[in-house]
Amino acid sequence: KQEVTQIPAALSVPEGENLVLNCSFTDSAIYNLQWFRQDPGKGLTSLLLIQSSQREQTSGRLNASLDKSSGRSTLYIAASQPGDSATYLCAVSGNQFYFGTGTSLTVIP
Amino acid sequence: DTGVSQDPRHKITKRGQNVTFRCDPISEHNRLYWYRQTLGQGPEFLTYFQNEAQLEKSRLLSDRFSAERPKGSFSTLEIQRTEQGDSAMYLCASSPLVDGYTFGSGTRLTVV
Repeated sequence: KQEVTQIPAALSVPEGENLVLNCSFTDSAIYNLQWFRQDPGKGLTSLLLIQSSQREQTSGRLNASLDKSSGRSTLYIAASQPGDSATYLCAVSGNQFYFGTGTSLTVIP
Repeated sequence: DTGVSQDPRHKITKRGQNVTFRCDPISEHNRLYWYRQTLGQGPEFLTYFQNEAQLEKSRLLSDRFSAERPKGSFSTLEIQRTEQGDSAMYLCASSPLVDGYTFGSGTRLTVV
């Protein structure tokens, strides 16, 4: 069974810092990997989708990379803002998505 | 079609009652998924449909849980004889055949 791990579990940074969130998975046979953002008590908002044939995707201040062979993905957030405070989840897909437990990010003004 | 809709947003029920949740996916998406999320955890897979066919069910989906997607459009998730351990956020997502998910805002269930 696919297992997804996210490190760190929680992260607190001052506003303006660049930061990296890590995601690792045990089975490299995936269709794609998706990063989500979740605000407290809310549903999941898709940030970036990386197909298995791709190495990275970018959207604004966000950049996600994928290394299937090593079972790793990173989400890079540039110039963090207080509005980035949320839980970030990565998910890898077979017939279903397998989720990590998330990284809780706090950006301090 | 602006996204995946879930109804209700919140449900408080007494233990032992039955509850039903509804999900309206993005209309052109073939696949529909149900997930459950408890506090501090990532979402856990419950079941998914491709069109009206239920193709996979998690062992988390006990016999008190049933899901339907009768015409390949909206889906319902029913929980019979609710227990306090059923308290969670129930998330619905839809996708094209093999592609990223779009999630709804979820239904938060509290069993008292």
